Amino acid sequence: QLTQSPSSLSASVGDRVSLTCQASQYITNFLNWYQQKPGKAPKLLIFDASHLAPGVPSRFSGSGSGTHFTLTIDGLQPDDFATYFCQHYDYVPPLTFGGGTKVEV
Amino acid sequence: EVQLVESGGGLVQPGGSLRVSCAASGIDFGNYAMSWVRQAPGKGLEWVCSVGHGGDNPYYGDSVKGRFIISRDNSRSTLFLQMDRLRAEDTAIYYCAQHSGTDMIRLSSWGQGTLVLVSS
Repeated sequence: QLTQSPSSLSASVGDRVSLTCQASQYITNFLNWYQQKPGKAPKLLIFDASHLAPGVPSRFSGSGSGTHFTLTIDGLQPDDFATYFCQHYDYVPPLTFGGGTKVEV
Repeated sequence: EVQLVESGGGLVQPGGSLRVSCAASGIDFGNYAMSWVRQAPGKGLEWVCSVGHGGDNPYYGDSVKGRFIISRDNSRSTLFLQMDRLRAEDTAIYYCAQHSGTDMIRLSSWGQGTLVLVSS
């Protein structure tokens, strides 16, 4: 089980924001992050806890291992206001998603 | 550029059936595992099922096991989801998603989704 916090946060352009994903058991670095904008499909941002997906701006970074993970946006841009989901995987499914964090103006 | 285009969603009565499809282009479809992920209105993401790159090794979430079947036709670069005995709680946008390779660990590309509404 993945618990994301906060469920929503208010921020301003230029802010540094950190989103947390807590796993209920040890999951090494088997964690991905996705961004979803309203009315759109999710987009992969970070894989294996800390690796930036192709084409993702460097202001996004991921960290953590074990049970505690963080997605950081350093210098929030207008395009970054969205909902962010973490996702755990293992050697076989299921895939498990966190409840999401909505980043609002 | 990878394109995944879902189709076949719509309104269906409880207990009914529906088959949704996902047409892929821009990739060598047979080299990738695929999944379906759904999102109920205003809710988060829920993994539904996955299938291996060759059409083997299907996996299902507990909420759909025994009612849904995932399949694929690599010759047509198309993924399918057959949904039977539908319930109101199956109402959601259904996204088709491509894994990064033959493994089933991260979802690299997603379709735009197709809405399935289960209601009388």
